[in-house]
Amino acid sequence: NAGVTQTPKFQVLKTGQSMTLQCAQDMNHNSMYWYRQDPGMGLRLIYYSASEGTTDKGEVPNGYNVSRLNKREFSLRLESAAPSQTSVYFCASMGSAGETQYFGPGTRLLVL
Amino acid sequence: QKEVEQNSGPLSVPEGAIASLNCTYSDRVSQSFFWYRQYSGKSPELIMSIYSNGDKEDGRFTAQLNKASQYVSLLIRDSQPSDSATYLCAAKTGANNLFFGTGTRLTVIP
Repeated sequence: NAGVTQTPKFQVLKTGQSMTLQCAQDMNHNSMYWYRQDPGMGLRLIYYSASEGTTDKGEVPNGYNVSRLNKREFSLRLESAAPSQTSVYFCASMGSAGETQYFGPGTRLLVL
Repeated sequence: QKEVEQNSGPLSVPEGAIASLNCTYSDRVSQSFFWYRQYSGKSPELIMSIYSNGDKEDGRFTAQLNKASQYVSLLIRDSQPSDSATYLCAAKTGANNLFFGTGTRLTVIP
């Protein structure tokens, strides 16, 4: 089992460019999450999906969109990147028992 | 008050000492709490969960929950240099999401 995988690992964008961060899990989990992590700010929830076909806003959703493509995949899209979106992005998943969230390796995004 | 608050540190302890990490929480979170460890440049990994008042031990780690005072702590006994990392406290909400603290950076000095 690969667990939670994310692509790409690192990306540089210019202001105004768009991109999609991909996340997939092979643990048959219902819930999936996107976080951003900034120095001194901890992990902040951007969007989550409690089950296939549903998505909800988290703490910092502005400037992002998500798609729960199927049970395995949950993508995060930046339509028009801004320097304030420079961050490390983590995807996570959690099973129905709700014991813990499993995190992917992260995507480091730099917006110039 | 934020949902989960941690002393951001940094915290330095000598090898072999006890490291004590603390976290307070608000009424807006439920009664499930988690400690994650995050090495530099890596993703968070769960090391302890606690749901009931009192202590929970796992090897060198002990999580403590005090619901009356609304705090949760993590003790690391016999600290090792490999314990040097950032420790994140998290609390579950009613929607089954997690609120994370800002993390405490721990350095264990050989």
